[in-house]
Amino acid sequence: GDSVTQKEGLVTLTEGLPVMLNCTYQTIYSNAFLFWYVHYLNESPRLLLKSSTDNKRTEHQGFHATLHKSSSSFHLQKSSAQLSDSALYYCALRNNYAQGLTFGLGTRVSVFP
Amino acid sequence: GPKVLQIPSHQIIDMGQMVTLNCDPVSNHLYFYWYKQILGQQMEFLVNFYNGKVMEKSKLFKDQFSVERPDGSYFTLKIQPTALEDSAVYFCASSFRLGGYAEQFFGPGTRLTVL
Repeated sequence: GDSVTQKEGLVTLTEGLPVMLNCTYQTIYSNAFLFWYVHYLNESPRLLLKSSTDNKRTEHQGFHATLHKSSSSFHLQKSSAQLSDSALYYCALRNNYAQGLTFGLGTRVSVFP
Repeated sequence: GPKVLQIPSHQIIDMGQMVTLNCDPVSNHLYFYWYKQILGQQMEFLVNFYNGKVMEKSKLFKDQFSVERPDGSYFTLKIQPTALEDSAVYFCASSFRLGGYAEQFFGPGTRLTVL
């Protein structure tokens, strides 16, 4: 079946520095729709951004990601981390036949002053 | 933004008992989902529900699980009987569209502990 790998379990960084969270995926299907969800403590996971066509960058709230089908990747980046970015980030995949999302384990981001 | 509510936030029950988890989806959404997240593991899809029927379910959706949404009330997940391995956080989600880039809106989860 489908799978999503987020290799970093925890990322700690200083405010103002860039951040990149890795996400790679596997699916046998031709179309892959990728999503980044952010989950703040005691809140609901919410969509941060979603993929577009191959090699096209998508942006939202200062974050950006580009779907690269050649490397099956959808890494999340931000040029300057803020204290409020401290949260759990999930990468998720849907193929063109399924309705359910396949999630990665998540990456916890802690931003310090 | 649109909110999905889940009741209760925590539930503790004895193994073998029945439990019902309640979800109040976004009001105009048509598609409903349940996911299960065991501590330290990824969130996993259980079931997708539309127009009174299960559309898709995973291997995790055991025979002891059932879902319904009677007459636009809560979307519920019932587990009868419960087992120790059912202890997890259960997330409800809803969406207006299906497939592709359709966004699923998640609730805050119900933490279920089976003793």
